[in-house]
Amino acid sequence: AAGVIQSPRHLIKEKRETATLKCYPIPRHDTVYWYQQGPGQDPQFLISFYEKMQSDKGSIPDRFSAQQFSDYHSELNMSSLELGDSALYFCASSLGPRTQGGNEQFFGPGTRLTVL
Amino acid sequence: KNQVEQSPQSLIILEGKNCTLQCNYTVSPFSNLRWYKQDTGRGPVSLTIMTFSENTKSNGRYTATLDADTKQSSLHITASQLSDSASYICVVSDWSNAGNMLTFGGGTRLMVKP
Repeated sequence: AAGVIQSPRHLIKEKRETATLKCYPIPRHDTVYWYQQGPGQDPQFLISFYEKMQSDKGSIPDRFSAQQFSDYHSELNMSSLELGDSALYFCASSLGPRTQGGNEQFFGPGTRLTVL
Repeated sequence: KNQVEQSPQSLIILEGKNCTLQCNYTVSPFSNLRWYKQDTGRGPVSLTIMTFSENTKSNGRYTATLDADTKQSSLHITASQLSDSASYICVVSDWSNAGNMLTFGGGTRLMVKP
């Protein structure tokens, strides 16, 4: 079965550079979530999109922005990179927005960003 | 503030043994609780998802329980295998927002030794 695809899998940037991470959700999934996981830390929710609109916002820095496109893939744009941005960035997708029944989030393999 | 606490933080068991991981939460209003398995450097993989009305859910050798009254959940692993070595994360969802706000537990790092 198709899973969530993230690209690139690894990315090395220098301070103050920009980076763009891409996420391709499972086919027919219309909701995308972005998480940041620092070394030895829990994943932190950054932002989510449903039907190309931002649906929820977590601890996403102002230097970051994201969007969801008409084909439901999403991109996380990161500018003025700092050393502390080095982390694993996970994307997850689900079918529909959250309901009382709960929507399963399926995670991608992550993009490992290293800022030098 | 929504919180999810897991215990123990780390656990070492011998191959073939059983173990139980605990998760206590204060997330409200509760929507559902998930257990994920996360291998180092990989994305979390869902093991079980339970809503308010579900007490037990199994997935192979993994069995999760939920007590919504005491706000506790457990993940029981039967006949452990070396491949079970991973972090197990309890994630609780609330539904007060239009989006999907998840609260992650700190995880239990399980090591299965031969």
